[in-house]
Amino acid sequence: AQKITQTQPGMFVQEKEAVTLDCTYDTSDPSYGLFWYKQPSSGEMIFLIYQGSYDQQNATEGRYSLNFQKARKSANLVISASQLGDSAMYFCAMSSGGTASKLTFGTGTRLQVTL
Amino acid sequence: GAVVSQHPSRVICKSGTSVKIECRSLDFQATTMFWYRQFPKQSLMLMATSNEGSKATYEQGVEKDKFLINHASLTLSTLTVTSAHPEDSSFYICSAEPGGGETQYFGPGTRLLVL
Repeated sequence: AQKITQTQPGMFVQEKEAVTLDCTYDTSDPSYGLFWYKQPSSGEMIFLIYQGSYDQQNATEGRYSLNFQKARKSANLVISASQLGDSAMYFCAMSSGGTASKLTFGTGTRLQVTL
Repeated sequence: GAVVSQHPSRVICKSGTSVKIECRSLDFQATTMFWYRQFPKQSLMLMATSNEGSKATYEQGVEKDKFLINHASLTLSTLTVTSAHPEDSSFYICSAEPGGGETQYFGPGTRLLVL
């Protein structure tokens, strides 16, 4: 069985600063995918970034980067130059066998960006 | 690209009635769609996986006779909550997979309130 753990229920960061949201995972599958989604108060789930278990390099998408440490089974999300619009819930998720299969979500981290 | 819509966005119904929620992939074909449920301040829990032209696969603990899923075409999946009760009140969100090893794209969700 797969498990995603997000130990930070809430985080604060000042505008323009960087913030790291933690995510650890557990799986016995040799091939898996790791995702981060953003959920604003409106409810929609916005895909941010993806990391495949066999990817050699850490994924980056604009201000988002994924710090993938396979041996430690962690996939932390780093948001650089935080903006007020980044305030939302952030969910880490995992799929087995790479992409495009059912996702297991963590409990989420609520990020609040302050002035 | 990769837009997924849901209708309705919000619905209030009386206990005992049935409610149908539609999930559409607007600019791509989705062989597989997923239905999730999210209670307030909780994570998304997968309810079922919907494959076009075949029966849905339900997660453990999800009543297939209560949550009817129909994936009639490559762009439409429907979830019908039959004989809804107040405990079915939740946020229901679908996702669609374009295929070819891409991530899932989520709809905006449907808030269901059963009185």
